[in-house]
Amino acid sequence: NAGVTQTPKFQVLKTGQSMTLQCAQDMNHNSMYWYRQDPGMGLRLIYYSASEGTTDKGEVPNGYNVSRLNKREFSLRLESAAPSQTSVYFCASSDRGQSNTGELFFGEGSRLTVL
Amino acid sequence: KQEVTQIPAALSVPEGENLVLNCSFTDSAIYNLQWFRQDPGKGLTSLLLIQSSQREQTSGRLNASLDKSSGRSTLYIAASQPGDSATYLCAVLTGANSKLTFGKGITLSVRP
Repeated sequence: NAGVTQTPKFQVLKTGQSMTLQCAQDMNHNSMYWYRQDPGMGLRLIYYSASEGTTDKGEVPNGYNVSRLNKREFSLRLESAAPSQTSVYFCASSDRGQSNTGELFFGEGSRLTVL
Repeated sequence: KQEVTQIPAALSVPEGENLVLNCSFTDSAIYNLQWFRQDPGKGLTSLLLIQSSQREQTSGRLNASLDKSSGRSTLYIAASQPGDSATYLCAVLTGANSKLTFGKGITLSVRP
Protein backbone atom coordinates (compact mmCIF):
# COMPACT_ATOMS: atom_id res chain seq x y z
CA ASN A 1 0.00 0.00 0.00
CA ALA A 2 2.11 2.91 -1.26
CA GLY A 3 -0.61 5.58 -0.97
CA VAL A 4 1.07 8.99 -1.45
CA THR A 5 4.79 8.96 -2.12
CA GLN A 6 7.00 12.05 -1.95
CA THR A 7 10.60 12.51 -2.99
CA PRO A 8 13.06 13.60 -1.79
CA LYS A 9 12.52 13.23 1.96
CA PHE A 10 15.29 15.70 2.80
CA GLN A 11 16.97 18.46 0.80
CA VAL A 12 19.35 21.31 1.55
CA LEU A 13 19.54 24.14 -0.96
CA LYS A 14 21.42 27.39 -1.23
CA THR A 15 19.52 30.61 -1.78
CA GLY A 16 18.70 31.01 -5.46
CA GLN A 17 18.91 27.33 -6.36
CA SER A 18 15.95 25.56 -7.90
CA MET A 19 14.45 22.18 -7.21
CA THR A 20 11.36 20.09 -7.77
CA LEU A 21 9.50 18.05 -5.19
CA GLN A 22 7.83 15.02 -6.66
CA CYS A 23 4.57 13.44 -5.53
CA ALA A 24 2.72 10.39 -6.78
CA GLN A 25 -0.43 8.65 -5.59
CA ASP A 26 -1.74 5.23 -6.51
CA MET A 27 -5.33 5.60 -5.28
CA ASN A 28 -6.78 6.92 -8.54
CA HIS A 29 -7.69 10.21 -6.86
CA ASN A 30 -8.66 13.24 -8.90
CA SER A 31 -7.57 15.86 -6.36
CA MET A 32 -4.02 16.51 -5.23
CA TYR A 33 -2.56 19.16 -2.94
CA TRP A 34 0.68 20.67 -1.78
CA TYR A 35 0.92 22.05 1.78
CA ARG A 36 3.70 23.51 3.83
CA GLN A 37 3.89 23.14 7.58
CA ASP A 38 5.73 25.64 9.75
CA PRO A 39 5.92 25.91 13.55
CA GLY A 40 3.15 28.13 14.87
CA MET A 41 1.59 28.52 11.42
CA GLY A 42 0.03 25.13 10.97
CA LEU A 43 -0.61 23.66 7.55
CA ARG A 44 -1.04 26.09 4.68
CA LEU A 45 -2.16 25.23 1.18
CA ILE A 46 0.28 26.20 -1.57
CA TYR A 47 -1.44 24.83 -4.68
CA TYR A 48 -4.01 22.23 -5.49
CA SER A 49 -5.25 20.35 -8.51
CA ALA A 50 -8.88 19.30 -8.64
CA SER A 51 -8.31 17.13 -11.69
CA GLU A 52 -5.72 16.24 -14.28
CA GLY A 53 -4.85 19.32 -16.30
CA THR A 54 -6.04 21.88 -13.77
CA THR A 55 -4.22 23.69 -10.99
CA ASP A 56 -5.24 26.49 -8.64
CA LYS A 57 -3.48 28.72 -6.17
CA GLY A 58 -3.91 28.16 -2.50
CA GLU A 59 -3.13 30.38 0.45
CA VAL A 60 0.64 30.83 -0.10
CA PRO A 61 1.52 30.29 -3.80
CA ASN A 62 4.22 32.93 -4.22
CA GLY A 63 7.60 31.50 -5.14
CA TYR A 64 6.19 28.15 -6.25
CA ASN A 65 4.97 26.52 -9.44
CA VAL A 66 3.20 23.21 -9.91
CA SER A 67 2.60 20.70 -12.65
CA ARG A 68 -0.09 18.05 -12.73
CA LEU A 69 1.80 15.71 -15.02
CA ASN A 70 -0.93 13.09 -15.15
CA LYS A 71 -3.56 11.75 -12.80
CA ARG A 72 -0.94 10.14 -10.54
CA GLU A 73 1.70 12.84 -10.30
CA PHE A 74 1.75 16.39 -8.97
CA SER A 75 5.08 18.21 -8.68
CA LEU A 76 6.04 21.38 -6.83
CA ARG A 77 8.87 23.53 -8.14
CA LEU A 78 10.88 26.21 -6.40
CA GLU A 79 12.48 28.31 -9.14
CA SER A 80 14.72 30.42 -6.92
CA ALA A 81 14.74 29.16 -3.35
CA ALA A 82 14.68 31.61 -0.45
CA PRO A 83 15.33 31.00 3.26
CA SER A 84 11.62 31.74 3.91
CA GLN A 85 10.85 28.56 2.00
CA THR A 86 12.56 26.41 4.62
CA SER A 87 9.72 24.19 5.71
CA VAL A 88 8.23 20.73 5.66
CA TYR A 89 6.23 20.13 2.51
CA PHE A 90 3.39 17.66 2.34
CA CYS A 91 1.63 16.29 -0.66
CA ALA A 92 -1.91 14.96 -0.26
CA SER A 93 -4.63 13.48 -2.39
CA SER A 94 -8.36 12.89 -2.06
CA ASP A 95 -11.31 11.54 -3.98
CA ARG A 96 -13.19 14.81 -3.56
CA GLY A 97 -15.33 15.42 -6.61
CA GLN A 98 -15.57 11.75 -7.42
CA SER A 99 -18.78 11.29 -5.42
CA ASN A 100 -16.87 9.70 -2.61
CA THR A 101 -15.89 10.68 0.87
CA GLY A 102 -13.33 13.39 0.23
CA GLU A 103 -10.98 11.78 2.73
CA LEU A 104 -7.50 13.26 2.54
CA PHE A 105 -4.36 11.11 2.48
CA PHE A 106 -0.90 12.53 3.11
CA GLY A 107 2.62 11.65 2.13
CA GLU A 108 5.43 11.45 4.69
CA GLY A 109 6.72 14.93 3.94
CA SER A 110 9.79 16.53 2.38
CA ARG A 111 12.01 18.51 4.71
CA LEU A 112 13.61 21.41 2.88
CA THR A 113 16.26 23.73 4.26
CA VAL A 114 17.34 26.80 2.30
CA LEU A 115 20.61 28.33 3.47
CA LYS B 1 -13.31 32.83 5.63
CA GLN B 2 -13.32 29.56 7.55
CA GLU B 3 -11.28 29.51 10.74
CA VAL B 4 -10.55 26.37 12.73
CA THR B 5 -9.46 26.56 16.36
CA GLN B 6 -8.07 23.86 18.59
CA ILE B 7 -7.63 24.68 22.26
CA PRO B 8 -5.54 23.97 24.25
CA ALA B 9 -2.40 23.72 22.15
CA ALA B 10 -0.96 21.05 24.44
CA LEU B 11 -2.36 18.56 26.91
CA SER B 12 -0.73 16.12 29.32
CA VAL B 13 -2.71 13.33 30.97
CA PRO B 14 -1.91 10.15 32.94
CA GLU B 15 -2.29 6.81 31.24
CA GLY B 16 -5.77 5.32 31.38
CA GLU B 17 -7.63 8.59 31.39
CA ASN B 18 -10.52 9.20 29.00
CA LEU B 19 -10.05 12.51 27.24
CA VAL B 20 -11.73 14.87 24.82
CA LEU B 21 -10.00 17.03 22.22
CA ASN B 22 -11.97 19.98 20.90
CA CYS B 23 -12.16 21.57 17.48
CA SER B 24 -14.29 24.60 16.61
CA PHE B 25 -14.98 26.20 13.22
CA THR B 26 -16.63 29.45 12.20
CA ASP B 27 -18.49 28.52 9.00
CA SER B 28 -21.02 25.74 9.49
CA ALA B 29 -21.43 25.11 5.74
CA ILE B 30 -18.94 22.28 5.74
CA TYR B 31 -18.73 19.24 3.50
CA ASN B 32 -16.86 17.09 5.99
CA LEU B 33 -14.54 17.20 9.00
CA GLN B 34 -11.49 15.02 9.37
CA TRP B 35 -9.30 14.23 12.37
CA PHE B 36 -5.63 13.43 11.84
CA ARG B 37 -2.77 12.23 13.96
CA GLN B 38 0.80 13.41 13.40
CA ASP B 39 3.81 11.83 15.06
CA PRO B 40 7.03 13.88 15.31
CA GLY B 41 8.82 14.07 11.99
CA LYS B 42 6.07 12.19 10.21
CA GLY B 43 3.16 12.88 7.91
CA LEU B 44 -0.51 13.10 8.85
CA THR B 45 -2.49 9.93 9.32
CA SER B 46 -6.24 10.07 8.89
CA LEU B 47 -8.11 8.88 11.99
CA LEU B 48 -11.76 9.62 11.35
CA LEU B 49 -13.81 11.40 8.72
CA ILE B 50 -17.30 12.72 9.46
CA GLN B 51 -19.52 13.78 6.59
CA SER B 52 -21.72 16.83 7.11
CA SER B 53 -24.82 14.61 7.31
CA GLN B 54 -23.33 12.47 10.09
CA ARG B 55 -23.22 13.07 13.83
CA GLU B 56 -20.35 10.79 14.79
CA GLN B 57 -17.83 8.19 13.70
CA THR B 58 -16.08 5.53 15.73
CA SER B 59 -12.86 3.60 15.26
CA GLY B 60 -11.62 1.44 18.12
CA ARG B 61 -11.00 3.65 21.15
CA LEU B 62 -11.68 6.81 19.15
CA ASN B 63 -15.00 8.52 18.70
CA ALA B 64 -15.48 11.77 16.83
CA SER B 65 -18.66 13.81 16.99
CA LEU B 66 -19.86 16.71 14.87
CA ASP B 67 -22.30 19.49 15.74
CA LYS B 68 -22.50 21.73 12.69
CA SER B 69 -24.97 24.18 14.19
CA SER B 70 -22.60 25.05 17.00
CA GLY B 71 -19.48 24.75 14.85
CA ARG B 72 -17.85 22.10 17.02
CA SER B 73 -16.32 18.67 16.83
CA THR B 74 -14.83 16.55 19.57
CA LEU B 75 -12.43 13.62 19.43
CA TYR B 76 -12.93 11.28 22.37
CA ILE B 77 -10.07 8.94 23.25
CA ALA B 78 -10.96 6.16 25.67
CA ALA B 79 -8.45 4.64 28.08
CA SER B 80 -5.51 6.67 26.81
CA GLN B 81 -2.12 4.98 26.34
CA PRO B 82 1.43 6.37 26.00
CA GLY B 83 1.28 5.32 22.35
CA ASP B 84 -1.50 7.89 21.84
CA SER B 85 1.04 10.68 22.40
CA ALA B 86 1.07 12.73 19.21
CA THR B 87 -0.35 15.89 17.70
CA TYR B 88 -4.01 15.72 16.72
CA LEU B 89 -5.30 18.02 14.01
CA CYS B 90 -8.78 18.63 12.73
CA ALA B 91 -9.58 19.92 9.27
CA VAL B 92 -12.83 21.04 7.69
CA LEU B 93 -13.73 20.95 4.02
CA THR B 94 -15.86 23.94 3.13
CA GLY B 95 -17.90 25.02 0.18
CA ALA B 96 -17.97 24.47 -3.54
CA ASN B 97 -14.29 25.33 -3.88
CA SER B 98 -13.37 22.43 -1.64
CA LYS B 99 -11.07 24.43 0.54
CA LEU B 100 -9.66 22.45 3.43
CA THR B 101 -8.83 24.46 6.54
CA PHE B 102 -6.70 23.00 9.31
CA GLY B 103 -6.51 23.77 12.98
CA LYS B 104 -3.04 24.14 14.46
CA GLY B 105 -3.35 20.94 16.41
CA ILE B 106 -3.28 19.73 19.99
CA THR B 107 -0.09 18.05 21.18
CA LEU B 108 -1.07 15.23 23.51
CA SER B 109 1.28 13.60 25.96
CA VAL B 110 0.09 10.51 27.82
CA ARG B 111 2.27 9.84 30.88
CA PRO B 112 2.90 6.20 31.90
